[in-house]
Parts: sequence; C-alpha cells; structure tokens
Amino acid sequence: GNSVTQMEGPVTLSEEAFLTINCTYTATGYPSLFWYVQYPGEGLQLLLKATKADDKGSNKGFEATYRKETTSFHLEKGSVQVSDSAVYFCATGNQFYFGTGTSLTVIP
Amino acid sequence: DVKVTQSSRYLVKRTGEKVFLECVQDMDHENMFWYRQDPGLGLRLIYFSYDVKMKEKGDIPEGYSVSREKKERFSLILESASTNQTSMYLCASSLTGGGLLFYEQYFGPGTRLTVT
Repeated sequence: GNSVTQMEGPVTLSEEAFLTINCTYTATGYPSLFWYVQYPGEGLQLLLKATKADDKGSNKGFEATYRKETTSFHLEKGSVQVSDSAVYFCATGNQFYFGTGTSLTVIP
Repeated sequence: DVKVTQSSRYLVKRTGEKVFLECVQDMDHENMFWYRQDPGLGLRLIYFSYDVKMKEKGDIPEGYSVSREKKERFSLILESASTNQTSMYLCASSLTGGGLLFYEQYFGPGTRLTVT
C-alpha cells in the first residue's frame, strides 16, 4: 500500500536560511505528489504538486521535484521568511496518505 | 475560490453525548473526506464519500459514522463521544479524476473537539 515518511521536526531556522524538508514515499504505480501547508489556527492548503516523474512543483518560492528513482519529493526554499512558519505535510497516492507533518519556525 | 466550511471551530461535549460535525463545500466536488489530526500522528482518514449517499471507511472508522444526503454536505457523527475522540477534525473536498485518482484536496478550517 501507499505510505509517506516525512522528516521529523521541529525545525528552527533563521530568516534567509535554506530549507529542506525530506519526504519519501512508497506507492503502487505513479501517484501524484503534494505538499500542503498549515498555518496556525487554519486548515491545510495546497502549497504545490507534481503529477509525474521529474515534474517540479513550485509556489511562493518553494520547490519540490518528483524523483521516481529515489521515491522522494523533498521540499526546498532558498531563503525562508518569518511568514513561512507553519506545519508542512507531504501527501501522496490517492491522497489518503499524509506524512506526520514538519513544524517550521523561522526566527528573525 | 473553493470554500469548505465547518459548522464549529471549537466544540466541548460530555462523554456519551451524540456529536454532529457538519461540513459544506461550494464547488460541486464529488469527493468529501473527514480526517482527524493528532500531534505526532499527522492526518488520519476516518471516512470519505465519492457521491451522495456513498461512503467508504478510512483507516480509523471505529466510533464514527457519516452521512451525505446532499452533494455539498458531509456530516461526521460521533454516536457516543469518548475522551479519546478529543482531537482536531478536518473536512476536505476534491474533484475526482476517475478510478482512484483524486485531484488536490481543499480543506476546511477544522473543528477542535474536546470531550470531557
């Protein structure tokens, strides 16, 4: 079956630091892959997605590339801001499978 | 913009009470989902529905039931609330791509339920 393993947090970075949050998956076939973000007190919202191998999803300076050979979909951002502080979830397959979430805090 | 609304942001109920959580979406999505979110466990699927009056169990359906009488509304029911059902409950909806393919989900703001 499908599953997602996500880098555990919490992660604390200084403003303008480089961010990587690792995500690996197991799945039958070639599912779409997603990153969702949850800001404090809110529901999840889609951050970016990739629908096939080698696709790169991007949004708000975040990027993730669908790597079939390593079954990974790592989230990256070159320069984080305080406003990026949130919990990030990787999701895959038929979307019933979410990672456990990685809490990011960015300090000025 | 897609909007998913949930009937309450915060709810406090007593053990043994029957609890209804309501979710409404305004984008004519076929699929609707109920999750619970707990620290360290991420999101876990309780039930989903792919059409009116249709439902499928998720990973943790025990102690819950659902109802979908209209396409836009999906209700989660706790028949007899217990303290281990204290959690954040998230509703979501999505279009379907056919078969088991789903497009991205749109989430409501969540209901934080406390059972005392």
